[in-house]
Amino acid sequence: EAGVAQSPRYKIIEKRQSVAFWCNPISGHATLYWYQQILGQGPKLLIQFQNNGVVDDSQLPKDRFSAERLKGVDSTLKIQPAKLEDSAVYLCASSPTSGGTDTQYFGPGTRLTVL
Amino acid sequence: GQQLNQSPQSMFIQEGEDVSMNCTSSSIFNTWLWYKQDPGEGPVLLIALYKAGELTSNGRLTAQFGITRKDSFLNISASIPSDVGIYFCAGYYSGGGADGLTFGKGTHLIIQP
Repeated sequence: EAGVAQSPRYKIIEKRQSVAFWCNPISGHATLYWYQQILGQGPKLLIQFQNNGVVDDSQLPKDRFSAERLKGVDSTLKIQPAKLEDSAVYLCASSPTSGGTDTQYFGPGTRLTVL
Repeated sequence: GQQLNQSPQSMFIQEGEDVSMNCTSSSIFNTWLWYKQDPGEGPVLLIALYKAGELTSNGRLTAQFGITRKDSFLNISASIPSDVGIYFCAGYYSGGGADGLTFGKGTHLIIQP
């Protein structure tokens, strides 16, 4: 079974530029999560999708971050414009359903550096 | 919001030693999870705990869900070089369908051969 795929793996941009990350969850997984992991910290949830609907985006900085999962499969996370403090690894995870008892499987992440 | 305090922040041990790390929360969780993250990779689930007082093993790893539902510990017995990495505790309290995990800051395990 293929795991969660993310691209690109690395991205370097200057502040005020825009950037987008892509995630392909495990086939058949209804729930998709985006986490932000700042160096030396644990991952922090940004947004949770159930199929193509948003379940929780309370920690997403909506003035600059946006995410979508149009067909309930792949998802993109966008930052526009980027700030220095957005430098982090952005992790995508998926699980078969929601409810917490299903394991969340993480992708390798996209490491963003904002200069 | 919920916060997890994980300790120790880092551990330097000799190969073959036992390891113990723990996590405490400011609020109650329904589920406690322990993950390991290697450099350049996403976290991988090691052990999941779903019931207060539950003690679960996975090979040389043992974890417990605290009775108060506000803490958990992870033990690793007879450490080996491949145990090196960052260990995260994570918890969640279900409600309204949102079940994103709250993570601790991690314990960095370094093993000297």
